[in-house]
Amino acid sequence: QQQVKQSPQSLIVQKGGISIINCAYENTAFDYFPWYQQFPGKGPALLIAIRPDVSEKKEGRFTISFNKSAKQFSLHIMDSQPGDSATYFCAASLLIQGAQKLVFGQGTRLTINP
Amino acid sequence: GAVVSQHPSRVICKSGTSVKIECRSLDFQATTMFWYRQFPKQSLMLMATSNEGSKATYEQGVEKDKFLINHASLTLSTLTVTSAHPEDSSFYICSAKARGIRSPLHFGNGTRLTVT
Repeated sequence: QQQVKQSPQSLIVQKGGISIINCAYENTAFDYFPWYQQFPGKGPALLIAIRPDVSEKKEGRFTISFNKSAKQFSLHIMDSQPGDSATYFCAASLLIQGAQKLVFGQGTRLTINP
Repeated sequence: GAVVSQHPSRVICKSGTSVKIECRSLDFQATTMFWYRQFPKQSLMLMATSNEGSKATYEQGVEKDKFLINHASLTLSTLTVTSAHPEDSSFYICSAKARGIRSPLHFGNGTRLTVT
């Protein structure tokens, strides 16, 4: 019940296109949903995050859409660029015994073709 | 923004030896630090959570005697892989957060451990 399911596993998008990555969860106790971007050999970097009291959050070319009733959330990258090529992880956070615990999705390897 | 420094970035060691990995929060006090393990092309798996000044809480299946975690100060946590074996070869990543439920997590750049 603490799993976060992410799809697709890999994605190829043409430069200028829209990249869409989806995640789903079961546990309604999750209260914070961040997205991380990871380049090879580096640690993940926080990209954008949302809390379940809003349905959408936009920061530049990155948008999170959140559907609380469906327990799904997605990352949209508008005008995708070759520099966006990376692995993206969705995550969900909940409090367990007073400590915050982050559960990661399986990751999506995104390739933007020039 | 907040910076987490992880050292070393790469280490090669012989089977049977121990390796220590450091994780430092450079510009904030990290009351909680997390250690993750990541296999190639896979997600991050939480190994343990450490709060400053107390014992680490290990996830199910993680050997606490093999992966020693020390969080002695608000800016430093260490992970020691004891008696390393080739199957311990992996990418180890730490993250840190300041006090407060809504404080964001900041990740280090990871340590690539290769055990020969």
